[in-house]
Amino acid sequence: GQQLNQSPQSMFIQEGEDVSMNCTSSSIFNTWLWYKQDPGEGPVLLIALYKAGELTSNGRLTAQFGITRKDSFLNISASIPSDVGIYFCAGLMSGNQFYFGTGTSLTVIP
Amino acid sequence: GAGVSQTPSNKVTEKGKYVELRCDPISGHTALYWYRQSLGQGPEFLIYFQGTGAADDSGLPNDRFFAVRPEGSVSTLKIQRTERGDSAVYLCASSSLAGGGEQYFGPGTRLTVT
Repeated sequence: GQQLNQSPQSMFIQEGEDVSMNCTSSSIFNTWLWYKQDPGEGPVLLIALYKAGELTSNGRLTAQFGITRKDSFLNISASIPSDVGIYFCAGLMSGNQFYFGTGTSLTVIP
Repeated sequence: GAGVSQTPSNKVTEKGKYVELRCDPISGHTALYWYRQSLGQGPEFLIYFQGTGAADDSGLPNDRFFAVRPEGSVSTLKIQRTERGDSAVYLCASSSLAGGGEQYFGPGTRLTVT
């Protein structure tokens, strides 16, 4: 299947710091979704992006749909301990299959 | 309102046995997806339903896997002759949009094949 390269693989940051992560592919996508997953839980939808260049915020989270349509970025400002978890990007090329990245594990140190 | 629910939350079965995993989507959501998630990986697409029909089953790994959604709401993922490699978390998601829309996930069923 399609491969979405998500980076970094893991991050250890101090509380209050900003966080940036991204998802890239060699293929063009029409939709990008960003999810957060806690241990033992299903992924929770954070932000959905539908147009190239689109910039969307949800509280302290901001995500962008790359102009080339091959990438997307997620930023978290002023991190707090409850931001800990694994963040996944998911991209839709066409049809119905979303392809997920391998995740970015975020640890916030109080 | 209620989110996506999945039962059981955990299932342990012996190699070669048959299992059924159930998904109750968000009420009114016409699109339903099944994914499989292995440890340290992102969810991997298995099958997509729009209404009662399987619109895309290209992610099912082999013919031991089958899913139904007879009334366009609850779905059951069925795995025959389970193998140890089937051990994973099986996630269900639903959406109010036909394909390409925001998907909301259930908590998953952790399947362990011994």
